[in-house]
Amino acid sequence: SQQGEEDPQALSIQEGENATMNCSYKTSINNLQWYRQNSGRGLVHLILIRSNEREKHSGRLRVTLDTSKKSSSLLITASRAADTASYFCATGTGGFKTIFGAGTRLFVKA
Amino acid sequence: DGGITQSPKYLFRKEGQNVTLSCEQNLNHDAMYWYRQDPGQGLRLIYYSQIVNDFQKGDIAEGYSVSREKKESFPLTVTSAQKNPTAFYLCASSTQVRTSTDTQYFGPGTRLTVL
Repeated sequence: SQQGEEDPQALSIQEGENATMNCSYKTSINNLQWYRQNSGRGLVHLILIRSNEREKHSGRLRVTLDTSKKSSSLLITASRAADTASYFCATGTGGFKTIFGAGTRLFVKA
Repeated sequence: DGGITQSPKYLFRKEGQNVTLSCEQNLNHDAMYWYRQDPGQGLRLIYYSQIVNDFQKGDIAEGYSVSREKKESFPLTVTSAQKNPTAFYLCASSTQVRTSTDTQYFGPGTRLTVL
């Protein structure tokens, strides 16, 4: 199974609400990244958090990392219709490999 | 404009044919990657390359081949040996592959359909 698994698989919210997506992983990591993918397009890097960090912010994005629980969350505040996309967590365990989860599909209703 | 491009956007293949997907980057990145994405799933690594004239198999390399003759280019050939090639293929690049902390920059993808 995938190293990173997102939860929920799909999320539907109203514009202006906050969206929270979670990622769990199995083995120790060096870092965790979140990417966004619009339908039928490539992935875009959002944010990277290292294993010695607990929280990171970028604009309306807030990422937390709990290495004891092997989990991370991505919070998008004041969501917009343009935030509608799939969001993937990707874990780096050292060396070259980055392992992607199956993603959370977010739908923001205007 | 700096970036990574893939062509074609859509590709149709008859059974038994080999097809080649193009990936070009002008970001001066050393590392390049090919991923396969199936509906509702994450990305699976097919091949990666750290440097010109060198490449390594990923998790699902069977039925695929690559070359890296130029730093800018990393074409992927889907051979007739790949039994279920219908998927969305994504190419990515990063400054280096020695550490997974490097951000990967993705192309727009090629959707391959077997007729």
